[in-house]
Amino acid sequence: GAVVSQHPSRVICKSGTSVKIECRSLDFQATTMFWYRQFPKQSLMLMATSNEGSKATYEQGVEKDKFLINHASLTLSTLTVTSAHPEDSSFYICSARDLSGISSYNEQFFGPGTRLTVL
Amino acid sequence: AQSVSQHNHHVILSEAASLELGCNYSYGGTVNLFWYVQYPGQHLQLLLKYFSGDPLVKGIKGFEAEFIKSKFSFNLRKPSVQWSDTAEYFCAVNDRDTGRRALTFGSGTRLQVQP
Repeated sequence: GAVVSQHPSRVICKSGTSVKIECRSLDFQATTMFWYRQFPKQSLMLMATSNEGSKATYEQGVEKDKFLINHASLTLSTLTVTSAHPEDSSFYICSARDLSGISSYNEQFFGPGTRLTVL
Repeated sequence: AQSVSQHNHHVILSEAASLELGCNYSYGGTVNLFWYVQYPGQHLQLLLKYFSGDPLVKGIKGFEAEFIKSKFSFNLRKPSVQWSDTAEYFCAVNDRDTGRRALTFGSGTRLQVQP
């Protein structure tokens, strides 16, 4: 199946700093990528939809100035957590849709996630 | 807005027992349905999916799920679980009417299979 990578896998930062997380589709192109947040023992909550070449679409309650998303190419989307605070500590997961093939309609491939800890 | 309910939060079974995990969704339109599995320390993997056609869907590793439209349900089943099935299982939905691609996930069910 298609592979999605995330970098870094875990990051620890001080409060007030910004952290960038990369999401890459390794063997396919993705016009759309999604960013989710997963709290401990809870489900994935969609944060935003990242569209290649255009602005991201944010879910209600997600601060767009806090979570900056850039989707500059068909294989890369980045999420920057600006001025991070301890409450931003979480597991961030991206997914990407494979453009090719009707059989993969709406199938998303998930990255391994990035664990962010803000001290 | 859609919502997805997984009523079993934590299930403990012995090996060879049968498994059924419940999933109900709230949206009344046309939906795509998915079950994902997350093994400890690993990323989400697709177990199976339903788009249309036969409501009984077979997935990987012996899992299957049945879409019952009248009950808004998409329960996951496996006749005989193995220790290696220990994982977190997520049901997910997206609606086809709006073209919204993002998935709405249930809260997950943690399955623990004892040897």
